Amino acid sequence: GDSVTQMEGPVTLSEEAFLTINCTYTATGYPSLFWYVQYPGEGLQLLLKATKADDKGSNKGFEATYRKETTSFHLEKGSVQVSDSAVYFCALSDRNDYKLSFGAGTTVTVRA
Amino acid sequence: DAGVTQSPTHLIKTRGQQVTLRCSPKSGHDTVSWYQQALGQGPQFIFQYYEEEERQRGNFPDRFSGHQFPNYSSELNVNALLLGDSALYLCASSLRWGFQTSGRNTGELFFGEGSRLTVL
Repeated sequence: GDSVTQMEGPVTLSEEAFLTINCTYTATGYPSLFWYVQYPGEGLQLLLKATKADDKGSNKGFEATYRKETTSFHLEKGSVQVSDSAVYFCALSDRNDYKLSFGAGTTVTVRA
Repeated sequence: DAGVTQSPTHLIKTRGQQVTLRCSPKSGHDTVSWYQQALGQGPQFIFQYYEEEERQRGNFPDRFSGHQFPNYSSELNVNALLLGDSALYLCASSLRWGFQTSGRNTGELFFGEGSRLTVL
């Protein structure tokens, strides 16, 4: 079945450091890919998405590119802030499917 | 504009009991999905409701059941609780999820903050 594997955490960084969280997927079709973020005390919210190969999703300084050849959707940010401290989830939804399949999540802590 | 609201936020039950969790979707949304998030893991899909019917179900036993009402709100029921049912239960709403013109799910799911269930 469809699945997502993402980099294990926790990840601790200093402010202005570069962040990358690896995500690879397995799917039978051509899925849409998502990054969701869960800030402390809040519900999951969509960070960015990409629906086809070579698409780049971006939001709040974060970027991820849909790489079909490597079945990957790595999340990157060039300069993190303390406010980026959260749990990040990679997810996919296969064509015509009604569910999201999530990775285990990566906890990111940014220190001032 | 109210987002997705869930109740109760926390509850404690004992093994064998039954629990009902409630969800009101974001205004304008007609589709409700339920997810179970165990500690340290990603959310796992339980089922989705659209037009008051279960449209898809994940790998959960029949002890997990649900309902969607005409106003689009939803309930999740779990019978014969087990210790392993302890988790955060998330409700997510969307507008006609899965009915994208390209056949791809490009839509966004809006999640509530969840109901934390502890089974003793």
